[in-house]
Amino acid sequence: ELKVEQNPLFLSMQEGKNYTIYCNYSTTSDRLYWYRQDPGKSLESLFVLLSNGAVKQEGRLMASLDTKARLSTLHITAAVHDLSATYFCAVQRNDMRFGAGTRLTVKP
Amino acid sequence: DTEVTQTPKHLVMGMTNKKSLKCEQHMGHRAMYWYKQKAKKPPELMFVYSYEKLSINESVPSRFSPECPNSSLLNLHLHALQPEDSALYLCASSPPPAGQGIRTEAFFGQGTRLTVV
Repeated sequence: ELKVEQNPLFLSMQEGKNYTIYCNYSTTSDRLYWYRQDPGKSLESLFVLLSNGAVKQEGRLMASLDTKARLSTLHITAAVHDLSATYFCAVQRNDMRFGAGTRLTVKP
Repeated sequence: DTEVTQTPKHLVMGMTNKKSLKCEQHMGHRAMYWYKQKAKKPPELMFVYSYEKLSINESVPSRFSPECPNSSLLNLHLHALQPEDSALYLCASSPPPAGQGIRTEAFFGQGTRLTVV
């Protein structure tokens, strides 16, 4: 069974700092997703990564995928308060399973 | 159009009621999903439909009954629910794993917040 592990589960950052969220998964996958969720809201798609070495960037967020290590990272550069949210990775094979989520708080 | 539309947005139902949640997409996606999400937890997979056929049922109790009438619609019929079934129910769609195409993303609807009283 596909298992997805995400860490850290909680992340408190200062504005302007950099940090990385990690997502490990147990079997080969077809696609890896990163989502953002604000409290009480649905999931907002951030990135979809398809192949080994894929790197995508949007603003202060950059996601990468290493299929050999079964590892994806979400790197946050110069964090700002607006990035405070919960971030999930999800791995798709015949289904789509989520990591536990990283609750990110960015403090001034 | 990258929307997945779920109705209703909020639903309060008694334990003896029968209700249905609806989900619609017009992106040509042939995989559709139901997830249940409790507060401060990740979405938990319930059902997967691939090409309108139920491909995965994650041992969900029979008081939840999914239906996929066509490639654009997905329903979740609810009957005799328990208070612990109160949660955010999310629908998603994506190209199927083996599918190829320009759009590869999975999109989520806004969810139905269900309260069972």
